[in-house]
Amino acid sequence: QVQLVQSGPEVKEPGASVRVSCKASGYKFTSYGISWVRQAPGQGLEWMGWIGTYNGKTKYLQSLQGRVTVTTDTSTSTAHMELRSLRSDDTAVYYCARVGEDRAVVSDRFDYWGPGTLVIVSS
Amino acid sequence: DIQMTQSPSSLSASVGDRVTITCRTSQYSSNYLNWYQQRPGKAPKLLIYAASHLHSGVPSRFSGSGSGTEFTLTISSLQPEDFATYYCQQSYSTPNTFGGGTKVDIK
Repeated sequence: QVQLVQSGPEVKEPGASVRVSCKASGYKFTSYGISWVRQAPGQGLEWMGWIGTYNGKTKYLQSLQGRVTVTTDTSTSTAHMELRSLRSDDTAVYYCARVGEDRAVVSDRFDYWGPGTLVIVSS
Repeated sequence: DIQMTQSPSSLSASVGDRVTITCRTSQYSSNYLNWYQQRPGKAPKLLIYAASHLHSGVPSRFSGSGSGTEFTLTISSLQPEDFATYYCQQSYSTPNTFGGGTKVDIK
């Protein structure tokens, strides 16, 4: 069965960086893209970015451009999301999600999600 | 960016009720509209994709319809496990955007 397992919770000070991991199993990793979505406490869902796992191509939310980087390690079927220059409003649960049917398509449904990683930014 | 408007933002219903949630997109989105269910403290789960296609394993009491800019999610007979928050998402263009959510709770 498809599973996405994420790394554990993080507490970071403002200005620091955080790296969240997402290990996939139960399917061929390079056949689907991975997106990252975050949810601030009590708020809705915000798409952050996407990576084509077969070619490393990325697409990011414009407001996060320059602060976020998504990478993959195909040898371990793992995607990573790094967010830099953290601010208090980056406090959120960060989800990875498998994307759609076509591995080259950025924009599609999120058919399987990881359990989420809580990142708290506080001094 | 395509803006999403979901209504209502919350509703109270009883087990067995028929529930309808509406999602409107600010621009034409064809049928690139997906619905998710999120229970408290859990990740969202895909219910409906491409406006009307039931995701694998999702009960048939869930259905979706619409195209263009107006879409609906219907739960034909609400069950206890359906009390949750529901989100729509457009996948017509990036950035993918989500509706603000509809919280369904027990009357």
